[in-house]
Amino acid sequence: DAKTTQPTSMDCAEGRAANLPCNHSTISGNEYVYWYRQIHSQGPQYIIHGLKNNETNEMASLIITEDRKSSTLILPHATLRDTAVYYCIVNAGNNRKLIWGLGTSLAVNP
Amino acid sequence: GAGVSQSPSNKVTEKGKDVELRCDPISGHTALYWYRQSLGQGLEFLIYFQGNSAPDKSGLPSDRFSAERTGGSVSTLTIQRTQQEDSAVYLCAGRRGGEHNEQFFGPGTRLTVL
Repeated sequence: DAKTTQPTSMDCAEGRAANLPCNHSTISGNEYVYWYRQIHSQGPQYIIHGLKNNETNEMASLIITEDRKSSTLILPHATLRDTAVYYCIVNAGNNRKLIWGLGTSLAVNP
Repeated sequence: GAGVSQSPSNKVTEKGKDVELRCDPISGHTALYWYRQSLGQGLEFLIYFQGNSAPDKSGLPSDRFSAERTGGSVSTLTIQRTQQEDSAVYLCAGRRGGEHNEQFFGPGTRLTVL
């Protein structure tokens, strides 16, 4: 079973920030939080990962709570091309398997 | 090419036939994964290869499923005596060695068993 819970779906207006939450209350000390997204009919795409500090890259920002039991992926200026299913996964880095849940289906609306 | 390629992109087969799905990962990616994804579902882990180590086959759903990785590069997933429940998108991903689990996925093969 996936070790994360995410809302099934979310909507966001184009140009606004999309904030996608993820609960991972049973995360272990050596487990990272990874985010991937899957655009319709494509393979998943890596977005970002973090351990305990907030992270930012060219795609998104990742905010992890101090107790590490939840996190938020932020797309600062969502575009229509960001419409996808977003998966939050916890994993001990080099651990061989990623356990995928159902993710959050984000719809960015014009 | 620079990305992960998979072939065929689509495969329609009759129940009972064998199929082979191919994955060509990014050069230098020592780890290779196979997943399958049924409609509207998340990814289901099938098998993992890492270098010369014995593969982790713990996700293979039955002995009809097998996979090989030759020369540490191209991988083939074989499904024997296909069943209708095998219909899914089969995804391959590669990863560089090292600590983090950033996987690079191919576009998948959509398998339909009639």
